[in-house]
Amino acid sequence: ETGVTQSPTHLIKTRGQQVTLRCSSQSGHNTVSWYQQALGQGPQFIFQYYREEENGRGNFPPRFSGLQFPNYSSELNVNALELDDSALYLCASRLTSGGSYEQYFGPGTRLTVT
Amino acid sequence: AQSVSQHNHHVILSEAASLELGCNYSYGGTVNLFWYVQYPGQHLQLLLKYFSGDPLVKGIKGFEAEFIKSKFSFNLRKPSVQWSDTAEYFCAVGSGAGGFKTIFGAGTRLFVKA
Repeated sequence: ETGVTQSPTHLIKTRGQQVTLRCSSQSGHNTVSWYQQALGQGPQFIFQYYREEENGRGNFPPRFSGLQFPNYSSELNVNALELDDSALYLCASRLTSGGSYEQYFGPGTRLTVT
Repeated sequence: AQSVSQHNHHVILSEAASLELGCNYSYGGTVNLFWYVQYPGQHLQLLLKYFSGDPLVKGIKGFEAEFIKSKFSFNLRKPSVQWSDTAEYFCAVGSGAGGFKTIFGAGTRLFVKA
């Protein structure tokens, strides 16, 4: 257990719909990153939030957006879902301070787009 | 563009055999290097990390890795594997200010025969 929780565990959506995934960071962590892990692949970096602002982004289109809240929980929003968005979505939190870069991962949300 | 390459997608070993998983990355700047493990049905968890200093780093469960800067490599080793080491292993590179982007390799599935 890492103290990072995600909800829901599983989700099925239809192409074109919108989805919101949620993450609760480990207590005291001020940075959260989101990753997409397709079947048989490594996690792909979507973006990172630090103190409620996005400060890093991978190669994902703008329909992938996020929010980080003052209590360091966060959301990943995906609009206009496509079949290829089917994947495990992971969030990871860490404390950006004093050179600590260790991330703690949640269990993930498995999204299926039909 | 930054990338991480893991040499083997699948590895099968007998218990007590030695393990070496290859990892190469492409990035010219300062990097933070990680190996993560994902046991069946569990979260991604950190095995070990390298930020600076001694290029030979030791992690949990008897794993170690060596950073060779000239070869852009960070190979994972374990002298004697156990059945419980059956898992998927991911090499990852963090770069940018505060490690704002973490790039993962595609992963290596290790199966250890009892």
